[in-house]
Amino acid sequence: DTAVSQTPKYLVTQMGNDKSIKCEQNLGHDTMYWYKQDSKKFLKIMFSYNNKELIINETVPNRFSPKSPDKAHLNLHINSLELGDSAVYFCASSFSGGAVGANVLTFGAGSRLTVL
Amino acid sequence: AQTVTQSQPEMSVQEAETVTLSCTYDTSESDYYLFWYKQPPSRQMILVIRQEAYKQQNATENRFSVNFQKAAKSFSLKISDSQLGDAAMYFCAYRNRDDKIIFGKGTRLHILP
Repeated sequence: DTAVSQTPKYLVTQMGNDKSIKCEQNLGHDTMYWYKQDSKKFLKIMFSYNNKELIINETVPNRFSPKSPDKAHLNLHINSLELGDSAVYFCASSFSGGAVGANVLTFGAGSRLTVL
Repeated sequence: AQTVTQSQPEMSVQEAETVTLSCTYDTSESDYYLFWYKQPPSRQMILVIRQEAYKQQNATENRFSVNFQKAAKSFSLKISDSQLGDAAMYFCAYRNRDDKIIFGKGTRLHILP
């Protein structure tokens, strides 16, 4: 299946721990994103990579570190987890540029992180 | 910086009726893209419809259509013949020339049987 896949879908952990969420897309897209959706459903962009290069880095604590080993993967590592990090994290991908079908985000199913 | 505003946190519509969800945005760019995404209870984000700013013709996808007013910076979504499966959060989104996509806060749509 062509898709954006994230693992794990659910993650429950204690404050202070370090955790990672992995994302892979097999759509051949050149741009990947991480979004955070809080309890009020607000979707906020965190990071964006284009062909493994960081192009968008919003005001996110430096405890959050994205890593893109290749253009099909964008992982999110979070150090020293805090209660406020509890949210659903969405990975997404797209083509950049002006081609037909470009600029449309395809989302993963989301990873719900709960920090206790 | 661009912003996207959805002024209706919740709306309800009777099944088979028509409903319009509002969205306004603020930008100084002339070339951009606008989207409506749907998020049902399953949490999956699904593209509903897409509009290029340079196109004057309003986009349509089956029962979904938009009213794009570029000068007014307005991009409303009309859902015709509402169905129970349309119940979801609907997000308006703006994509700028730097490929940054900004979402509104969403409108929760209830379909009344």
